[in-house]
Amino acid sequence: GENVEQHPSTLSVQEGDSAVIKCTYSDSASNYFPWYKQELGKGPQLIIDIRSNVGEKKDQRIAVTLNKTAKHFSLHITETQPEDSAVYFCAERGSNYKLTFGKGTLLTVNP
Amino acid sequence: DVKVTQSSRYLVKRTGEKVFLECVQDMDHENMFWYRQDPGLGLRLIYFSYDVKMKEKGDIPEGYSVSREKKERFSLILESASTNQTSMYLCAGKGGVTDTQYFGPGTRLTVL
Repeated sequence: GENVEQHPSTLSVQEGDSAVIKCTYSDSASNYFPWYKQELGKGPQLIIDIRSNVGEKKDQRIAVTLNKTAKHFSLHITETQPEDSAVYFCAERGSNYKLTFGKGTLLTVNP
Repeated sequence: DVKVTQSSRYLVKRTGEKVFLECVQDMDHENMFWYRQDPGLGLRLIYFSYDVKMKEKGDIPEGYSVSREKKERFSLILESASTNQTSMYLCAGKGGVTDTQYFGPGTRLTVL
């Protein structure tokens, strides 16, 4: 079945630094790649997504890049702030139209 | 604003009990999903529904069933709760023409 590998599982950065989270997938038919942020006690919330016909997408301090040949995509957060601290999940929608999620990355931004 | 609500934030049940988790969405979305979330395992799909009275198994349906009698409501049923079903349960909704799944706040279920 579909598989999404997400790294690292934990990431600690200083406020103002950049954070990068990487995911790889196996289904060559995957065409949609969302990223979710989950704060403590809340459900996951979509922060950015990218489709397979685009290589990069940016929204203020957040960007996502996609390399379809290598089957990996990454989340980049610049100028991190303490409120960026959360668990981040990548996901992919494959040929069966279901989302398959990575195992999550706990990001801690230290003031 | 989009809203997905779940009937309980915290629930404690005994082994063997029948458990109902309720999810309601106000977005008129055709598609609804139930996931469970466990540390180190991410989100795993239990069941989903693409229309009223329609349902399909996800990746881990064993021990669960679902009901969708109305478009806005999707229920997850644990016929006989077991301790290995202690988990965080997340409901999500998605419109037919959009890609985004909107999640509820989750129900943390403990089975003793």
